[in-house]
Amino acid sequence: GQQLNQSPQSMFIQEGEDVSMNCTSSSIFNTWLWYKQDPGEGPVLLIALYKAGELTSNGRLTAQFGITRKDSFLNISASIPSDVGIYFCAGLTGNQFYFGTGTSLTVIP
Amino acid sequence: KAGVTQTPRYLIKTRGQQVTLSCSPISGHRSVSWYQQTPGQGLQFLFEYFSETQRNKGNFPGRFSGRQFSNSRSEMNVSTLELGDSALYLCASSLGPSGGANEQFFGPGTRLTVL
Repeated sequence: GQQLNQSPQSMFIQEGEDVSMNCTSSSIFNTWLWYKQDPGEGPVLLIALYKAGELTSNGRLTAQFGITRKDSFLNISASIPSDVGIYFCAGLTGNQFYFGTGTSLTVIP
Repeated sequence: KAGVTQTPRYLIKTRGQQVTLSCSPISGHRSVSWYQQTPGQGLQFLFEYFSETQRNKGNFPGRFSGRQFSNSRSEMNVSTLELGDSALYLCASSLGPSGGANEQFFGPGTRLTVL
């Protein structure tokens, strides 16, 4: 199946710092989605991207659909303790979504 | 608008048994996808149903099957359970099929433990 390389695997940051994570692939995707998952819960959709080059914000979150259509980036500004969780990217190609392995974010107050 | 609901939330079974999981999509959504999530493999696609028809299937053995009803509710069945089937099973709903770039919204999942 398609491989989505998500990095970093984990991050430990101080409250107030900005965060960046990304997903890359050797394949082209038509849609990129970013999710956040809390322990024991299902992923919650944060941002959806549909066009190459698209930059979309949702509060303190900003995500971009890479120009090559093979990557996407998620930035979180001024992190707060409730940002803790696992962030997943998902790329759509053909008729199927493929998911990254997740970035575990820990915010230290 | 109510979100995606999954029942049961937790399930404990023994090897060799079978299990049926249920998913009710967001009202108006007609596509339901199922995923298996494990610490080692991450989120793995099982299958997608749209209008009661299976559109896509991932690389899982035939022990994993599903169906969708006319009200868009979906069930997933796993027969002859193995220890490795222990996982969080997630259901995601969307307005239309994945090929139409419809956003997927996840339920809380069913935590299956096989002893």
